Amino acid sequence: QKEVEQNSGPLSVPEGAIASLNCTYSDRGSQSFFWYRQYSGKSPELIMSIYSNGDKEDGRFTAQLNKASQYVSLLIRDSQPSDSATYLCAVNTPPWNAGNMLTFGGGTRLMVKP
Amino acid sequence: DAGVIQSPRHEVTEMGQEVTLRCKPISGHDYLFWYRQTMMRGLELLIYFNNNVPIDDSGMPEDRFSAKMPNASFSTLKIQPSEPRDSAVYFCASSFYTSSYNEQFFGPGTRLTVL
Repeated sequence: QKEVEQNSGPLSVPEGAIASLNCTYSDRGSQSFFWYRQYSGKSPELIMSIYSNGDKEDGRFTAQLNKASQYVSLLIRDSQPSDSATYLCAVNTPPWNAGNMLTFGGGTRLMVKP
Repeated sequence: DAGVIQSPRHEVTEMGQEVTLRCKPISGHDYLFWYRQTMMRGLELLIYFNNNVPIDDSGMPEDRFSAKMPNASFSTLKIQPSEPRDSAVYFCASSFYTSSYNEQFFGPGTRLTVL
């Protein structure tokens, strides 16, 4: 079983809609969760980090974390064509005393259609 | 502030040649990571350093791969000899770690093609 799982997509949403991206992880000890956006041919760009259960909002982006269900999601409100990219979920993984190793999911490709 | 810097951005080489990829982390960051990304396997951690010391190299695919970090501002990833299956995008990332903050920032990557 992969440690971090995402639906590969593509997830297609119309412009202006809410895009919902989901991620599950396997290690209950994980404490740090990140969403990266990666445009084709570019490097991953950190857009959200979340460390506590609940919601964290930053502009049009909201990250949601539920540690009991081992689930983290990213909502993008008022989706724009410029949001079309692959979104990578990353979770910190053991060994816990050796810093901040991250395991990445395979990414969800989002397409926002005008 | 400058972000993570990598060079070269593109490298095309022939099988059997030595390849050296370079990385300059963000100033003040104490962790440096080397990743490889392919369509088939996604983003994989190869090795990471803490304060210039290699901590975990279990992701290095085989002995042909080696990495060094001689000082806080420079790291290299070397492949010798290179093979076509090493073709991928190699990313370097750095972070400043605390118990409540450990965001990693990526460089632009090196696209390696081995013919």
